[in-house]
Amino acid sequence: SQTIHQWPATLVQPVGSPLSLECTVEGTSNPNLYWYRQAAGRGLQLLFYSVGIGQISSEVPQNLSASRPQDRQFILSSKKLLLSDSGFYLCAWIGGLNTEAFFGQGTRLTVV
Amino acid sequence: DAKTTQPNSMESNEEEPVHLPCNHSTISGTDYIHWYRQLPSQGPEYVIHGLTSNVNNRMASLAIAEDRKSSTLILHRATLRDAAVYYCILSTGNTPLVFGKGTRLSVIA
Repeated sequence: SQTIHQWPATLVQPVGSPLSLECTVEGTSNPNLYWYRQAAGRGLQLLFYSVGIGQISSEVPQNLSASRPQDRQFILSSKKLLLSDSGFYLCAWIGGLNTEAFFGQGTRLTVV
Repeated sequence: DAKTTQPNSMESNEEEPVHLPCNHSTISGTDYIHWYRQLPSQGPEYVIHGLTSNVNNRMASLAIAEDRKSSTLILHRATLRDAAVYYCILSTGNTPLVFGKGTRLSVIA
């Protein structure tokens, strides 16, 4: 069966520090992968999506970047975190056309 | 992107059916109607999706209007565990899911 792993579950980082969040998917190949962010009390904002290795589409210009070095690995990064980067980060994948999306458990990032 | 409109919040008594409405008057012929829900401090969870015909699964039913400009998610017997934010989303093919504000459902014991 397909599973999605996302870590860490919680993270507290100082302003100006780098960030790397990793998401991996098992049990499927060539999934579409997504990063979302949910600020406190707000809705889910699509940040990046990828339809294949090395292919990244950015939805919102910001302090973050994404990479897909392997088929089932999606990484969210920042060189210098801002206070406004705090939030709940979610990775998701969709395996085919018009099918359901599966979300990871999320990483709650607090920038202090 | 096609847009959906949902009430900000709804309330239901436990054990009673809940009908969550969604308007999508600009839906295109290839848009699927997806419903997800998000429990507190968790990622969204798939509920159901459909194109034209009504759909049923173990979690809920989806009733789609004949003109497809609206749909209703039906929870047949609400439980306290159904308290969540419910999102109605239109999506075609591989387009990313774009979440709106959804409907916050409260269930009263």
